[in-house]
Amino acid sequence: EVQVLESGGGWLQPGGSLRLSCAGSGFSFSNYAMSWVRQAPGKGLEWVSGTTGSGGNTYYADSVKGRFTISRDNSKNTLYLHMNNLRADDTAVYYCAKGIGRDDYYSMDVWGKGTTVIVS
Amino acid sequence: SYELTQPPSVSVSPGQIASITCSGDKLGNKYACWYQQKPGQSPVLVIYQDNKRPSGIPERFSGSNSGNTATLTISGTQAMDEADYYCQAWDSSTAVVFGGGTKLTVL
Repeated sequence: EVQVLESGGGWLQPGGSLRLSCAGSGFSFSNYAMSWVRQAPGKGLEWVSGTTGSGGNTYYADSVKGRFTISRDNSKNTLYLHMNNLRADDTAVYYCAKGIGRDDYYSMDVWGKGTTVIVS
Repeated sequence: SYELTQPPSVSVSPGQIASITCSGDKLGNKYACWYQQKPGQSPVLVIYQDNKRPSGIPERFSGSNSGNTATLTISGTQAMDEADYYCQAWDSSTAVVFGGGTKLTVL
């Protein structure tokens, strides 16, 4: 079964840092682009960042550019999101999502259950 | 920044056709996707690249995208289709943008 599983969420104070992880299984991880999408409590979906299968290309929403860094370790089938200088409005459930192809990080066909980040 | 606009809510009777619109400047020139999210669950991709259906998604879900509007159509709507639906667009200049979401109620 194709799955992605997030971890690393938690509670922290403004200005802090956190690293989220996403483990992929059931598919050839390096052949698929990946994205992070977040959802603040009671709000809609917000795309955060994406990367191609090789990790050679990365993309960010303006709201996190310069503070968040996406990376992947294909030898470990794991995607990361390094978050620095966190703000209260970064509070959300963070989802990891698999793209439908090596470069298509924007059509997300498999989603994890999410990990919660609270900045307060 | 690029914006997508969806109606906050749409109501439909069981067995009828539900249409959910998503508007954005020259949206037809971008790829559009649709996601379904039920309470307490993760989103599910129901339409990608304007009108393609992932495996496992019922044929009653279809999509179109032209001009400034993308539309998700659910034919023969069932009670299980009650959910929030989000449109999403991409192109190389705007990256990924989600609409605000539409709550579909099956009365």
